[in-house]
Amino acid sequence: EAEVAQSPRYKITEKSQAVAFWCDPISGHATLYWYRQILGQGPELLVQFQDESVVDDSQLPKDRFSAERLKGVDSTLKIQPAELGDSAMYLCASSLDLLGSGANVLTFGAGSRLTVL
Amino acid sequence: AQTVTQSQPEMSVQEAETVTLSCTYDTSESDYYLFWYKQPPSRQMILVIRQEAYKQQNATENRFSVNFQKAAKSFSLKISDSQLGDAAMYFCALGGSQGNLIFGKGTKLSVKP
Repeated sequence: EAEVAQSPRYKITEKSQAVAFWCDPISGHATLYWYRQILGQGPELLVQFQDESVVDDSQLPKDRFSAERLKGVDSTLKIQPAELGDSAMYLCASSLDLLGSGANVLTFGAGSRLTVL
Repeated sequence: AQTVTQSQPEMSVQEAETVTLSCTYDTSESDYYLFWYKQPPSRQMILVIRQEAYKQQNATENRFSVNFQKAAKSFSLKISDSQLGDAAMYFCALGGSQGNLIFGKGTKLSVKP
């Protein structure tokens, strides 16, 4: 069964350091999402790509976060510098199409858990 | 703004019994989808069930069914014959107009043997 691959699974870093997360969506999925999930809460969208284009990055803290999907396939999410409040699970998901009615079924990866000390 | 509210942070059920998880939502869209996702401990989130708002018939997937009340903007999940493997965080989600999902805060379900 096809999966969304994410790495690393776990990352511990000190504040002010740079961190990067990688995501490889299911082959053929045009839409890719990065979500942040703080412990005990639901995931919140950070950025959404359609192919290589950003559809929505309104909740991405652009002073320290960046995301790219250069060839419209895999994607990287970067944080620089990391802050204590960035400790969370970073989830990547993909879906086949961008449908306006919100019908998309998202397939999630296992996530990357970040701890900032 | 689109919002999803889950008012039960934790629920518990005896194995083989039935449990219902609650969810309310708000949207100005006339056509939308609602989802329940399951997140087992240290494992990835998986889709449990999906409901199309224009369909009056409640969705069912094996032991999982929903009670969709469009006028009340309510979307509850019923798990019948609960199994130990059902223990997880359950998230209610609303399909946004851009194709993304708006999640509630989740309900932690424990299943007692």
